[in-house]
Amino acid sequence: DGGITQSPKYLFRKEGQNVTLSCEQNLNHDAMYWYRQDPGQGLRLIYYSQIVNDFQKGDIAEGYSVSREKKESFPLTVTSAQKNPTAFYLCASRKLAGDYNEQFFGPGTRLTVL
Amino acid sequence: AQKVTQAQTEISVVEKEDVTLDCVYETRDTTYYLFWYKQPPSGELVFLIRRNSFDEQNEISGRYSWNFQKSTSSFNFTITASQVVDSAVYFCALSEATNNFNKFYFGSGTKLNVKP
Repeated sequence: DGGITQSPKYLFRKEGQNVTLSCEQNLNHDAMYWYRQDPGQGLRLIYYSQIVNDFQKGDIAEGYSVSREKKESFPLTVTSAQKNPTAFYLCASRKLAGDYNEQFFGPGTRLTVL
Repeated sequence: AQKVTQAQTEISVVEKEDVTLDCVYETRDTTYYLFWYKQPPSGELVFLIRRNSFDEQNEISGRYSWNFQKSTSSFNFTITASQVVDSAVYFCALSEATNNFNKFYFGSGTKLNVKP
């Protein structure tokens, strides 16, 4: 079955630690995205990537970093510079060709800073 | 200014009632897409519908229907004969040709509670 997987589902971090959230897709989608969702809020774009080895900052990139070494993978690192990292993180992907512009989402990772 | 506004923060209905979720958007692009997503308690966003700016036909899919009106910049979502399983947060989103449809602007969501 094709889809997007995110791991871990729950992540706990001590202040001052960097953590990496995994996102993998086997949909052969070109573009991948990371969003942050806070309680009762909509989604805010952190980073996105349209092709391997290239990515762009979204609206709230400060304190985060990404890499896109493979088409299938787009890991997100939450660094110690992110002042308030506790949130729900969603990864998405999209096929760039054709009329299919919707993004498909993974199940999310809930990050809690202790 | 917000590009996508979902003014209804939370709606509660009794099962079998019809309910309409409002979405108003703002864009200067002539080419854009509008979307609805459902977020159940598990957290994953589920894609429901895509509509491009050149297609104002309303769409019906089972108990779901969507009313797209460019004249009022609205893309409303109606659930007919609601069921408890419809309880979720629903998001409306917009993507524009200006940024190659990469930036999705999400509304703040409407939480729908369907009571038995």
